[in-house]
Amino acid sequence: EPEVTQTPSHQVTQMGQEVILRCVPISNHLYFYWYRQILGQKVEFLVSFYNNEISEKSEIFDDQFSVERPDGSNFTLKIRSTKLEDSAMYFCARGRGTNSPLHFGNGTRLTVT
Amino acid sequence: QKEVEQDPGPLSVPEGAIVSLNCTYSNSAFQYFMWYRQYSRKGPELLMYTYSSGNKEDGRFTAQVDKSSKYISLFIRDSQPSDSATYLCAMSAKGETSGSRLTFGEGTQLTVNP
Repeated sequence: EPEVTQTPSHQVTQMGQEVILRCVPISNHLYFYWYRQILGQKVEFLVSFYNNEISEKSEIFDDQFSVERPDGSNFTLKIRSTKLEDSAMYFCARGRGTNSPLHFGNGTRLTVT
Repeated sequence: QKEVEQDPGPLSVPEGAIVSLNCTYSNSAFQYFMWYRQYSRKGPELLMYTYSSGNKEDGRFTAQVDKSSKYISLFIRDSQPSDSATYLCAMSAKGETSGSRLTFGEGTQLTVNP
């Protein structure tokens, strides 16, 4: 079983709508990540989050994206105004610290129509 | 040049065969190397994690890292149909912020035929 639970497993939304993807780590960790995988392409880094702050983000993670951990448990990725090209699998991952391997959830499949 | 190159396959082998999967990389800052297995519509599952050059063995899996050649390998012995999946190599540079920012290869699709 994955060490993080992601909800929903599949989200369909219309272009321009806001979506929130959720991640719940099974154990208490400080390091969280979002990655995405467009169909047929490689897994790509979006953002890392440590101690309730963004520690690093990629060029993909523009102003349309935001992350937060509002209640100290759930870790969310928000896309403010979805575009067709945002359609992808979004994976949450957790790590024990820097330079540690990451453990991924089963992902949320986002379909933007 | 891509930072990480991995032959996407597909690779098809008979049950019991030894499978060799490989990645090359161009960024000499990469210090940590991982292999993940990904089943269809699932998240990547960590198989192996290595830091230094050399071999690491875990059951039927052996990971090799050759930093001088910027080349990593995963060997699967006595392959089983349940090993059929996409295998992803991933690597990261050492550092406080980038230490767990993984760069993935394209993935190699493996089918083990009974």
